[in-house]
Amino acid sequence: SQQGEEDPQALSIQEGENATMNCSYKTSINNLQWYRQNSGRGLVHLILIRSNEREKHSGRLRVTLDTSKKSSSLLITASRAADTASYFCATDPYEGSGGGADGLTFGKGTHLIIQP
Amino acid sequence: NAGVTQTPKFRVLKTGQSMTLLCAQDMNHEYMYWYRQDPGMGLRLIHYSVGEGTTAKGEVPDGYNVSRLKKQNFLLGLESAAPSQTSVYFCASSLQGGQPQHFGDGTRLSIL
Repeated sequence: SQQGEEDPQALSIQEGENATMNCSYKTSINNLQWYRQNSGRGLVHLILIRSNEREKHSGRLRVTLDTSKKSSSLLITASRAADTASYFCATDPYEGSGGGADGLTFGKGTHLIIQP
Repeated sequence: NAGVTQTPKFRVLKTGQSMTLLCAQDMNHEYMYWYRQDPGMGLRLIHYSVGEGTTAKGEVPDGYNVSRLKKQNFLLGLESAAPSQTSVYFCASSLQGGQPQHFGDGTRLSIL
């Protein structure tokens, strides 16, 4: 079953604006990762944040993690048309938390559209 | 550096036919995974492997079999295809479990 749940399911903004996507999960985790998927392509890893980290940056990406609320957010600043894609969070469940199979558990994704 | 390569990219099958999807990675990764992606369902893990000669069931293993005879290859088999198996199939690999996964570009499979 899905561990992560992204919100919103779809988001449309103007180029240059910031885009924020949220992810909630159910079990204790070792880390949480964000991926991007362009139409017709495979997922591409963007950023990994460990359970003992609260915030991480990579270029125009900013990820926060609140383990007490079991939630994470992905912020894309100064969005570009090329950022149009689906974004997925994925969790690495902590062993013994009942989170499921070895490896990552993916959410259903947020579809982001950047209007030029 | 090719990364993860999936073949074929597209395939149409008739109900009851069998086929094998091939996945190859050139990153010397231990872990390999097969997912299916359906509209509104996100990615669901079918089977995975933690090393050469090992396989394990994921969330939705029924109707599929896998083999990992060589470290770089992970094969997904459909013995008797059903329309419910129409989907996009993704292969991925990672150095270890829980680490970032590298994905192929998918196999689009239609079962008529």
